[in-house]
Amino acid sequence: DQQVKQNSPSLSVQEGRISILNCDYTNSMFDYFLWYKKYPAEGPTFLISISSIKDKNEDGRFTVFLNKSAKHLSLHIVPSQPGDSAVYFCAARPETYKYIFGTGTRLKVLA
Amino acid sequence: DTEVTQTPKHLVMGMTNKKSLKCEQHMGHRAMYWYKQKAKKPPELMFVYSYEKLSINESVPSRFSPECPNSSLLNLHLHALQPEDSALYLCASSSRQLQETQYFGPGTRLLVL
Repeated sequence: DQQVKQNSPSLSVQEGRISILNCDYTNSMFDYFLWYKKYPAEGPTFLISISSIKDKNEDGRFTVFLNKSAKHLSLHIVPSQPGDSAVYFCAARPETYKYIFGTGTRLKVLA
Repeated sequence: DTEVTQTPKHLVMGMTNKKSLKCEQHMGHRAMYWYKQKAKKPPELMFVYSYEKLSINESVPSRFSPECPNSSLLNLHLHALQPEDSALYLCASSSRQLQETQYFGPGTRLLVL
């Protein structure tokens, strides 16, 4: 039973345009969400997080939006750059327990 | 500095071998984690150490044996592994257990023959 879902396994975006990566979750008790980026042969790199008391968090080119009623999380990257090409994982944290990761979305930014 | 280092980068071992994976962080973090990641799958939590004590074992088989010799080091001892244990093993750390952002190392890619 996948509690955190990333339904798009891959996404291609032109350089300079917006990349939108989506994540859905099933458990309303999740109180903290994160996005990680992973390059091949490297460990996941933390990008940005958001607490369930907020609906938006911004850090440079990266913005995470949280829609609690829809149990939906999205990561916006503006403008997209070729170096952003990687696999992006969302992760959710139940109130007192571990991170649960989604299956990842492979982003390809075309030059 | 948010660096977590792992050695070796790659490891090939037979089913009768004994080997160890090593993880190190110098960020003063007091929680350290082992994850296993199979191809095209998300990382799966194996163990959590908090203040050098094992606090979570996600029902991992005993052929995996974690050890935390001090607050900066985390080892994973491997013995009598199976081919299906081949995966990327990731170490992570956070300032406190399960409440703060986890920072990951580059992983050790393990192949069991």
